[in-house]
Amino acid sequence: QVQLVQSGGEVKKPGASVKVSCKASAYTFTSYYMHWVRQAPGQGLEWMGIINPSAGSTTYPQKFQGRVTLTRDTSTTTVYMELSSLTSEDTAVYYCTRGGLIYTDYARAFDYWGQGTLVTVSS
Amino acid sequence: QSALTQPASVSGSPGQSITISCTGTSSDVGAYNYVSWYQQHPGKAPKLMIYDVSNRPSGISNRFSGSKSGNTASLTISGLQAEDEADYYCSAHTASSTRVFGGGTKLTVL
Repeated sequence: QVQLVQSGGEVKKPGASVKVSCKASAYTFTSYYMHWVRQAPGQGLEWMGIINPSAGSTTYPQKFQGRVTLTRDTSTTTVYMELSSLTSEDTAVYYCTRGGLIYTDYARAFDYWGQGTLVTVSS
Repeated sequence: QSALTQPASVSGSPGQSITISCTGTSSDVGAYNYVSWYQQHPGKAPKLMIYDVSNRPSGISNRFSGSKSGNTASLTISGLQAEDEADYYCSAHTASSTRVFGGGTKLTVL
């Protein structure tokens, strides 16, 4: 069955960067979009961006422009989310989640989710 | 892009029906039939319950249904069960080719 397995929790100091990985299995990696969503403690879900694993192209919401970078490694079927200039407000659980088929289902819902990675930003 | 508006909480007794609303704008909920709903239990990842306004993924109970009118989408859960107690989030595709979530609704089964 489809699985998205994320890297372990991280503790970072303010101003640092963090890179979280998400390894996909049991489906054709380059056929589906991948998104990243985060959830601060006790708060709601927040969309951080989308990557086309085939082309490597990305789209980010204005809030995260210039601070988040999504990349992928097709040889290991892994996507990465790097967030820079961390502050305490970036303390959250970060999820990767699969979207729709490349080119035909850009707007499709998030059907499979990783287990989440807790990133804690503290001095 | 502002978050979609959901009630903070709803409640119902076992066997009853409840509806959760999700209000957006003509640039997101009202623009496309790409509204989805997610269930999240404490400490767990969200789970897709409804996609494209009213479609259920395989394995999701037909007690869950979705609809949309104008800029407001709705999730209805009929025959409430204790296991339905969770947080529920709506999400929509936007005219900027981004995604937006609602603030979430806590469902309590009395």
